[in-house]
Amino acid sequence: ETGVTQTPRHLVMGMTNKKSLKCEQHLGHNAMYWYKQSAKKPLELMFVYNFKEQTENNSVPSRFSPECPNSSHLFLHLHTLQPEDSALYLCASSSFSGANVLTFGAGSRLTVL
Amino acid sequence: AQKVTQAQTEISVVEKEDVTLDCVYETRDTTYYLFWYKQPPSGELVFLIRRNSFDEQNEISGRYSWNFQKSTSSFNFTITASQVVDSAVYFCALSEEANFGNEKLTFGTGTRLTIIP
Repeated sequence: ETGVTQTPRHLVMGMTNKKSLKCEQHLGHNAMYWYKQSAKKPLELMFVYNFKEQTENNSVPSRFSPECPNSSHLFLHLHTLQPEDSALYLCASSSFSGANVLTFGAGSRLTVL
Repeated sequence: AQKVTQAQTEISVVEKEDVTLDCVYETRDTTYYLFWYKQPPSGELVFLIRRNSFDEQNEISGRYSWNFQKSTSSFNFTITASQVVDSAVYFCALSEEANFGNEKLTFGTGTRLTIIP
């Protein structure tokens, strides 16, 4: 595996379900990010982790719960979501010496019924 | 607050035509970085270019070229002799000074480019 890998690529869930999105980076980067991409909206930064520590929470509702067990893995736990949470969730990573260039995964397409 | 505007929502051109994607930004920072990313149908955003605010030289990379003008706060992207593989959504983005692992990029809404064979 190379780059940033996200699983699952597609997820359909009901509003009462609990599911998780997984992201893994194989680049040796120290920072990982969750972005939300909704139709006709700019990408929204949700969370940032730097060396496993959360450094940014962009006022994200508590029904989204991130977890970063190490610098290579990032999870987004989902619980009691709303239909408006349907979107493409993109994970990204960057390195300390990477001059603020983010490397993105292919995203997890989430549909909330 | 930072803001990026990509006024062109969708553009369609016939293959081999040149096309320019516009990007206008707003920031109060004196040091900042501008980016272009490409999002093909597969979903991942692919990094194309990074330009810092002190470097106004235009850049050319193959069929791609970028025109940075601080006077008009614009960072436009031109594809010369477009090809079908250029069909994608293109995002312009802006960030404050490099924060070594805590980067906050502000993205535009993207321009969907369709190249017609």
